[in-house]
Amino acid sequence: QKEVEQNSGPLSVPEGAIASLNCTYSDRGSQSFFWYRQYSGKSPELIMSIYSNGDKEDGRFTAQLNKASQYVSLLIRDSQPSDSATYLCAVKTRGNQFYFGTGTSLTVIP
Amino acid sequence: KAGVTQTPRYLIKTRGQQVTLSCSPISGHRSVSWYQQTPGQGLQFLFEYFSETQRNKGNFPGRFSGRQFSNSRSEMNVSTLELGDSALYLCASSSAISRVYEQYFGPGTRLTVT
Repeated sequence: QKEVEQNSGPLSVPEGAIASLNCTYSDRGSQSFFWYRQYSGKSPELIMSIYSNGDKEDGRFTAQLNKASQYVSLLIRDSQPSDSATYLCAVKTRGNQFYFGTGTSLTVIP
Repeated sequence: KAGVTQTPRYLIKTRGQQVTLSCSPISGHRSVSWYQQTPGQGLQFLFEYFSETQRNKGNFPGRFSGRQFSNSRSEMNVSTLELGDSALYLCASSSAISRVYEQYFGPGTRLTVT
């Protein structure tokens, strides 16, 4: 079983719609959770971090964490073509090890 | 604040050679982590250095090694290169003083082994 699992996609949404990205993790003791965006040929860019159950909002992005279900999600409201990228979910364990999912490819169609 | 820098950006080596990659973290950040990214395996953790000490290590062979200097700059070395070492090598820096432990990535070094 992988430490972090994401649907690889591709996920396509029309411009202006809500994109929903999901991630599950296996280590129940994991402490911190992150979403990164990676454009083709570029390095990952941190979008959101969350470590408490519930929602955290930053502009058009909302991260949701449910530790009981070991589930993290990222919602992108009013999706724009510039949001087209691969989104990586990352988890930090108690031992300060980071595990990344393989990423979900998102395409926003104008 | 300047971001994470990595040198060189691109590198071509032949099998059996060795290579050294360099990473300068964000000013004030004491933690540097290294990752290997390949299309098949995704982002895989190599090791983390904090205050010149290796704090964590991923599941990579001993050919992969690193070190960190007193100014927090870090180097990664790969000896006896294999074709499978072709990848994007990323370093990430963190202040490592907050509970959230956010990591910021450099632009990466694209290594091609022929």
